[in-house]
Amino acid sequence: KQEVTQIPAALSVPEGENLVLNCSFTDSAIYNLQWFRQDPGKGLTSLLLIQSSQREQTSGRLNASLDKSSGRSTLYIAASQPGDSATYLCAAHMIKAAGNKLTFGGGTRVLVKP
Amino acid sequence: GAGVSQSPRYKVAKRGQDVALRCDPISGHVSLFWYQQALGQGPEFLTYFQNEAQLDKSGLPSDRFFAERPEGSVSTLKIQRTQQEDSAVYLCASSLFRGGTVSYEQYFGPGTRLTVT
Repeated sequence: KQEVTQIPAALSVPEGENLVLNCSFTDSAIYNLQWFRQDPGKGLTSLLLIQSSQREQTSGRLNASLDKSSGRSTLYIAASQPGDSATYLCAAHMIKAAGNKLTFGGGTRVLVKP
Repeated sequence: GAGVSQSPRYKVAKRGQDVALRCDPISGHVSLFWYQQALGQGPEFLTYFQNEAQLDKSGLPSDRFFAERPEGSVSTLKIQRTQQEDSAVYLCASSLFRGGTVSYEQYFGPGTRLTVT
């Protein structure tokens, strides 16, 4: 059974500092890995999706890397801003599962202090 | 275009009541998923539809949970005889995935927060 873990569970940084969020998964048989942002009381906003054949994906200040062999993905957020405060979730798409089921980590709660 | 919508956004039910949660996926999206998110945790898979066919219901926690998508568009998640442990946010997602080895991005709705008292 796929297990996805995110460490740390919470992170507080001063504005301007770079953020590094970690995600690990136990089963490397994945289609891809997706990073989401969740604001309090809201649904999930997709940030980046890395295909299993890719090593990284970039969007603006966000960069996500994927190392299937070690079962790890990292989300980097450059020059953090207070508006980046949210919970960040990673999710693995399993090859064995019917229809692209996502297995989520527990999330990292990020607070960026002005 | 319109995203995934869910209704109601908030629902308070007394223990033992039945509830029905609605999901309107993005138009044209073949796949539809339901997830349950407990407070402070990541979402957990409940069930998956491809068009009107329910292909995977392995995540439904008990036979009190039932989902349907009769015309391959709108879906309803029904919980019978609600219990306090059913209190959670119920998220719906849709995607263009049609099978094979290609995987498409899932788009999530805002969720329905269910509180059972």
